[in-house]
Amino acid sequence: EVQLVESGGGLVQPGRSLRLSCAASGFTFDDSAMHWVRQAPGKGLEWVAGISWSGDDMGYADSVKGRFTISRDNAKNSLSLQMNSLRAEDTAFYYCARAPVRGYWHYFFDFWGQGALVTVSS
Amino acid sequence: EIVLTQSPGTLSLSPGERATLSCRASQSINSKFLAWYQQKPGQAPRLLIYGASRRATGIPDRFSGSGSGTDFTLTLSRLEPEDFAVYYCQQYATSLLTFGGGTKVEI
Repeated sequence: EVQLVESGGGLVQPGRSLRLSCAASGFTFDDSAMHWVRQAPGKGLEWVAGISWSGDDMGYADSVKGRFTISRDNAKNSLSLQMNSLRAEDTAFYYCARAPVRGYWHYFFDFWGQGALVTVSS
Repeated sequence: EIVLTQSPGTLSLSPGERATLSCRASQSINSKFLAWYQQKPGQAPRLLIYGASRRATGIPDRFSGSGSGTDFTLTLSRLEPEDFAVYYCQQYATSLLTFGGGTKVEI
């Protein structure tokens, strides 16, 4: 059974940093691209960042480019999102999601974690 | 950036009825790189359709997707009580992935 479990969410002040992690199990981690998708409370879905199976290729939404960094550790079956210079508008549930593709990373998402809430407030 | 516009914003229907949801792209989406998701309150999204018309594993055949270019449709042939939820489309034709704003299907 595919499982994606996010951790690291919480309350953080504007301008500070936070690191999210996603532990993957139940599938061959390095056979898949991985992504972060967020959802502000009561709002729609917004893609944040994606990374290829090897970690060599990645992409970011314009809203987070230069502030967020996605990375993966295939030996540990884990995905991370380093979030710097956080803003109030970054407040959201952050979902880890799998893209069932190896050759590139921009794809659809077939499995999702349950999400981690990040609240940016003073 | 490809902007996806979903309509209507809310669809009020009864169990057994047919639901037709629209997703219109601001520019043509090549190779039908469009997916649909269902999200219920307090839950993560669930993949329904990819490649514009291919059902994901375990998705009932009352869900169907169609369309190409800039106009795509998700059809629920006969609504079951568990189908009342919010539905999102997503394009993956470009490296800037985008979602539509969602359609809520309510009783």
